[in-house]
Amino acid sequence: DSGVTQTPKHLITATGQRVTLRCSPRSGDLSVYWYQQSLDQGLQFLIQYYNGEERAKGNILERFSAQQFPDLHSELNLSSLELGDSALYFCASSVDGTRTEAFFGQGTRLTVV
Amino acid sequence: GDSVTQMEGPVTLSEEAFLTINCTYTATGYPSLFWYVQYPGEGLQLLLKATKADDKGSNKGFEATYRKETTSFHLEKGSVQVSDSAVYFCALSDYGANSKLTFGKGITLSVRP
Repeated sequence: DSGVTQTPKHLITATGQRVTLRCSPRSGDLSVYWYQQSLDQGLQFLIQYYNGEERAKGNILERFSAQQFPDLHSELNLSSLELGDSALYFCASSVDGTRTEAFFGQGTRLTVV
Repeated sequence: GDSVTQMEGPVTLSEEAFLTINCTYTATGYPSLFWYVQYPGEGLQLLLKATKADDKGSNKGFEATYRKETTSFHLEKGSVQVSDSAVYFCALSDYGANSKLTFGKGITLSVRP
């Protein structure tokens, strides 16, 4: 158990809908990352937060947004969903997000039908 | 920006064979280097890490040495087991705007009895 909790584990939704994925980081970790893993694209970095502030942004679509709350949990919002958004979404956390290892949650498997 | 290149896969080995998985990196700063492993249906787990040149990370019989002169961090194991079958990712984390974990494409290892 990494200490990073993601909910829900599985999500099935229709095209055009909006979903929210939730992540609770390990106790004491200030930095949260979101990654998307699909068969054809591999592991893609979406966004990183540190202590509530956005630190780095990857190839995150405009339809996607995220935030980190004062209690340090994070949410990833995916809207106007398309079939191609079906993937595993991982959250990870690290102590300070600089040259340190990150610990991953079990992921949320999103299926868009 | 920073990047990680892993050798192409998949790799299939017999039990007790020697394993080498190549990883090279490009970074603007002085990153920390990591190997992560993903077992089927699970999230990524940190396998080992190294934070400075000539450091050797080791865990569960796996080893990797931080080679700054060749910008490499190759993963080795002297005798693989069936239970080592998984996907292996090389990654780095640098300072500031490059502090996110940057991953290679991953390589699938299958070990047959």
